[in-house]
Order: sequence, then C-alpha cells, then structure tokens
Amino acid sequence: NAGVTQTPKFRVLKTGQSMTLLCAQDMNHEYMYWYRQDPGMGLRLIHYSVGEGTTAKGEVPDGYNVSRLKKQNFLLGLESAAPSQTSVYFCASSYRLGGTDTQYFGPGTRLTVL
Amino acid sequence: QKEVEQDPGPLSVPEGAIVSLNCTYSNSAFQYFMWYRQYSRKGPELLMYTYSSGNKEDGRFTAQVDKSSKYISLFIRDSQPSDSATYLCAPNYGQNFVFGPGTRLSVLP
Repeated sequence: NAGVTQTPKFRVLKTGQSMTLLCAQDMNHEYMYWYRQDPGMGLRLIHYSVGEGTTAKGEVPDGYNVSRLKKQNFLLGLESAAPSQTSVYFCASSYRLGGTDTQYFGPGTRLTVL
Repeated sequence: QKEVEQDPGPLSVPEGAIVSLNCTYSNSAFQYFMWYRQYSRKGPELLMYTYSSGNKEDGRFTAQVDKSSKYISLFIRDSQPSDSATYLCAPNYGQNFVFGPGTRLSVLP
C-alpha cells in the first residue's frame, strides 16, 4: 500500500498563475482533506470531502477549489495564485470523521508563489 | 483566544530526559484527544489518543487529559534522539476537529 501520495512535491508559481495539486489514497477511505501548514499557525483545513462527488469548506477555503470525482482522488486547485498562498499543503484521508479515527497524511507539497 | 494552543518551543533536552509537552483548548465539547508526531519535511502521523479525561500509556509515551482545566499533556520517558520532531495535539468531537500549532522537540545525544 502506498497510503496517501501527493503530486507534485515542490512547485514555484508566479502571482496569477494556476495549478492543481493531486492527492491519491489507496486505503478506500471515504473522507479526504486538504490542509495548509504555516509556521506558528499549525494545520488549517482548507476543504474536505465526505465521499465521492462531495466537497465542503473548511477554515480557510478562499482562493481554493476542490473536486472529488473519484473516491481515491482529491484535487486542490489554485485559480490565481497569490504570495499569501505560499505554504506547505498536506492531503489526508480517514475511514470515518472524527472520534478516534486516524487521519493518514501525505508527504506534503511545498508551494512558493513569487 | 485560539481554540488550541501549544508552546511552540523549540524544546531541547538531553537524551534520557523526561519530556512534558502541553496543550490547552477552549472548546469544552471536545471528547477525543489525539497526538500527532511530525518529522521534519514529512506529514503528521498519529502517535496516540485518549478519550475524555484520564491517562493512557503506550510504551515510553503517556497521554493525559484534564477536561476540567482543558489541559492535555504528552509525557515521553527516556527520550531518544529519534523522538526529535514536532508534536501536534488535535482535540475533536464529531465533525469538529482542530490541530494545535505544534511544539518542536529536539533530543540531544
């Protein structure tokens, strides 16, 4: 099992450019999440999905869009990148939502917006 | 007041020391208390969890929750250089979950 994988690992964008981050999981999990992690801020939830074809907003959704067309994939899009979106992005998945259920994280994508 | 707060550190200790990592939270509805460990340039991974108040031990690690004071602790006995990482507390209930900013720990050989 590969667990949770993220593509790409690193990316540098110019302000205004767009890009899509891909997350894939092979654990048949229903729930998937996108977080950003910034120094001193911890992990902040951007969007999440409770199943194929569903998405919901998290704490910091502005400037991002997501899609979950297949159960195993969760895409995060930046339509017009801004320097404030420079961050490390983590995808995670879980079998259930909350409780004692573990979230399994990918290795992260380091994004720099110039 | 932030929903979850942790001392950011860095906390540096000698190998073999007992480490105490602490977390405070404001939402009294939280029922489950997770600790995640994150190595440098890696994603977080679940270390252990507790439900409601009390202690839970797993090897060298002990998690303690005091719901009356909204205080969570993680103790590491006989700390090792391999314990050097950032530790994130993550309380939750149902669909309401949040991660603390993490405490960076360095265990020096």
